[in-house]
Amino acid sequence: AQKITQTQPGMFVQEKEAVTLDCTYDTSDPSYGLFWYKQPSSGEMIFLIYQGSYDQQNATEGRYSLNFQKARKSANLVISASQLGDSAMYFCAPGGYQKVTFGTGTKLQVIP
Amino acid sequence: EAQVTQNPRYLITVTGKKLTVTCSQNMNHEYMSWYRQDPGLGLRQIYYSMNVEVTDKGDVPEGYKVSRKEKRNFPLILESPSPNQTSLYFCASSEHRDGNYEQYFGPGTRLTVT
Repeated sequence: AQKITQTQPGMFVQEKEAVTLDCTYDTSDPSYGLFWYKQPSSGEMIFLIYQGSYDQQNATEGRYSLNFQKARKSANLVISASQLGDSAMYFCAPGGYQKVTFGTGTKLQVIP
Repeated sequence: EAQVTQNPRYLITVTGKKLTVTCSQNMNHEYMSWYRQDPGLGLRQIYYSMNVEVTDKGDVPEGYKVSRKEKRNFPLILESPSPNQTSLYFCASSEHRDGNYEQYFGPGTRLTVT
């Protein structure tokens, strides 16, 4: 089974600062892209950002950007200008459009 | 408004009593998936579907069935529920369109099997 490592079970960041959430994975499938998701304390799951395996440039979506390093099997999420509403669990998930495997998540808390 | 609906939102049932959790999306997405989430874990994929009548197993398919007879609907069937299927279930639909990927989740169904 594929192993996904999110080494930071919990993190704090000051409001308006940037924060990087780490994710590494061990799949040998070169076609795998990388997804990141957010789950606030209210429980809903929210898709944030995706980068395909063969995309040349790192994906960005508003304040979210992916630092995708395929050779290192690493895909870190960078959140710029953190807001209080960013406090949530964040999951990375390598995979294709149909099949993904989720990591165990990082709990981010934004401090005013 | 893009929407994935799941019903019921909450369900308490007994071991062995067949149940169906419905999932419907209004975005004409090709891909749909079911996940379960247990405390302290990320989501685990149960089944996914790439289009009508095309489904495949995810990582934890045992004890579940799905069908995709219409593009918008992807029900999850538990023929004989057991306590280890007590969990939070999410349905999702997705598509890669015009160079962009979009994915939406339902609100979740909290299932308790006693």
